[in-house]
Amino acid sequence: QSALTQPASVSGSPGQSITISCTGTSSDVGGYNYVSWYQQHPGKAPKLMIYEVSNRPSGVSNRFSGSKSGNTASLTISGLQAEDEADYYCSSFTSSSTLVFGTGTKVTVL
Amino acid sequence: QVQLVESGGGVVQPGRSLRLSCAASGFTFRNYGMQWVRQAPGKGLEWVAVIWYDGSNKYYADSVKGRFTISRDNSKNTLFLQMNSLRGEDTAVYYCATASGDYVASWWGQGTLVTVSS
Repeated sequence: QSALTQPASVSGSPGQSITISCTGTSSDVGGYNYVSWYQQHPGKAPKLMIYEVSNRPSGVSNRFSGSKSGNTASLTISGLQAEDEADYYCSSFTSSSTLVFGTGTKVTVL
Repeated sequence: QVQLVESGGGVVQPGRSLRLSCAASGFTFRNYGMQWVRQAPGKGLEWVAVIWYDGSNKYYADSVKGRFTISRDNSKNTLFLQMNSLRGEDTAVYYCATASGDYVASWWGQGTLVTVSS
């Protein structure tokens, strides 16, 4: 199972919006509405930000939103803040009943 | 509050074995699927294995299939990962995490470092 494809880095100024893409295949992202997004700060465990494409867990800011079109899912962060600077990973359930993560995206707040 | 505490990491020689444990508390362990995710130094997340809430089904990444075994003891609220025939590329921080429905990892442990080196 190959990793989902994400841009290596995305940057934006405080207050701006950024979008991170996550591209897979019809056997994972395109075949199921089971895409999640995780935020990871250096030296910390990942934190769930979005599940099932567009659902936010309790306690996650509504500045984070998710969507999907075909084989590509997206995470949008609006009103970018300094604390949003972190690595972000998408994941998807697959047709083999396994999970695959994305390659990861480093978000920089300018 | 939910706590997942991994243990059992350390330095091990190539070809040897290691067993990781993950002690769970703060939620009804037997109702949740559980999984292991690893992260090599400076690299991204890699999914390792999942076990259903009752242990009835287990799935593995191709990279560990046949070498690693995931198991659980619901009477002790503990998840395990038996790692055999270890290789240098297995060096990573190993995280245990819950696996709801479609393997959504709502809660994560702090991770335990496994270093495979001679």
